[in-house]
Amino acid sequence: DGGITQSPKYLFRKEGQNVTLSCEQNLNHDAMYWYRQDPGQGLRLIYYSQIVNDFQKGDIAEGYSVSREKKESFPLTVTSAQKNPTAFYLCASTGSNYGYTFGSGTRLTVV
Amino acid sequence: GDSVTQMEGPVTLSEEAFLTINCTYTATGYPSLFWYVQYPGEGLQLLLKATKADDKGSNKGFEATYRKETTSFHLEKGSVQVSDSAVYFCALSERSSNYKLTFGKGTLLTVNP
Repeated sequence: DGGITQSPKYLFRKEGQNVTLSCEQNLNHDAMYWYRQDPGQGLRLIYYSQIVNDFQKGDIAEGYSVSREKKESFPLTVTSAQKNPTAFYLCASTGSNYGYTFGSGTRLTVV
Repeated sequence: GDSVTQMEGPVTLSEEAFLTINCTYTATGYPSLFWYVQYPGEGLQLLLKATKADDKGSNKGFEATYRKETTSFHLEKGSVQVSDSAVYFCALSERSSNYKLTFGKGTLLTVNP
């Protein structure tokens, strides 16, 4: 079945450490997105990519980085510059009909 | 810029009660409108959508009508079930924003037996 796979489901980060969240899709979608979810704040866009080897900052890109070397993959790195990284991270993709498919999320906690 | 405002929760109802979750939007053009549902610990699932004025989206007993004159897309269900307990997000996307989704803050619904 086609879909989006996010891993790991739970991730713990120490202070000053970079961590990378994986997002893989087999839907042949061109566009991929990373959202951050905090309680009571809805979803906020971190980065998005509409084509391989190209990506744009969203509303809250500071402290994050991404790459898009393959159509299927859009990993997100949470760097030590992100001061408050504890959150639920959701990856999504969309195809030509602009219907979004979401992954099941990664919960990141700073320890 | 685009924005979505939805009623704050939490909303607590008894089983078989009528549900309304209000959603209004601000957009520069003619957006598509969506309702997504999130069950605990999971990602988002598309519940319903409408792409033009006066369209009615419907799914699993939920309905919402795209009202351009009031810039609204209120979610309704005639008789809720315990299994409807979740967080509901209203969202929009439009061409001028490269079809990025803009979300409301979400409304937590709890249905008691």
